[in-house]
Amino acid sequence: GAVVSQHPSWVICKSGTSVKIECRSLDFQATTMFWYRQFPKQSLMLMATSNEGSKATYEQGVEKDKFLINHASLTLSTLTVTSAHPEDSSFYICSASKREPHEQYFGPGTRLTVT
Amino acid sequence: GQNIDQPTEMTATEGAIVQINCTYQTSGFNGLFWYQQHAGEAPTFLSYNVLDGLEEKGRFSSFLSRSKGYSYLLLKELQMKDSASYLCAVLDSNYQLIWGAGTKLIIKP
Repeated sequence: GAVVSQHPSWVICKSGTSVKIECRSLDFQATTMFWYRQFPKQSLMLMATSNEGSKATYEQGVEKDKFLINHASLTLSTLTVTSAHPEDSSFYICSASKREPHEQYFGPGTRLTVT
Repeated sequence: GQNIDQPTEMTATEGAIVQINCTYQTSGFNGLFWYQQHAGEAPTFLSYNVLDGLEEKGRFSSFLSRSKGYSYLLLKELQMKDSASYLCAVLDSNYQLIWGAGTKLIIKP
């Protein structure tokens, strides 16, 4: 298999605080990990791509100082939403890929609500 | 620019067959994926096509024509649990996955 876990599955935080979301590939080494955001009834939006040991590549319009990504190992990537605001409330999904065939295996997602 | 088109929404009847089309214009091509996404859940992998032709996997089949920039996902013997969004995604020359907006499939009894 190719299992990706995400933690937490849901989180509620107060405005101004920071939240960390973990993404782990459980049974394979991921060459690349991806972070997506999805608002209700909208398509997936790629936020950033990260390779182990290097800086993440952010998509246009995504603030890298607000969404901190750390890809510490071939099985773990973290996304930290800093100084969260209510408009950051969304469904955050990570995925991981092996080198071939570049299929992305998705984690179950984290539902963030900022009050 | 890079573009992937698929219908926004489709409706079909339980037990019937439905075909979801996807056309793409990308800088290079290294394969096309179909994912299923139920409401409130993350996408799950359905199929991968890199060569022309039909790939069959149980009730689901996926077809690719690279010369036409076209793919379809065929779902047979529809079940109520097939109600979901179906996402088409293309791997471009940089091995970046370009996503379509998804097709919401509604199954009626």
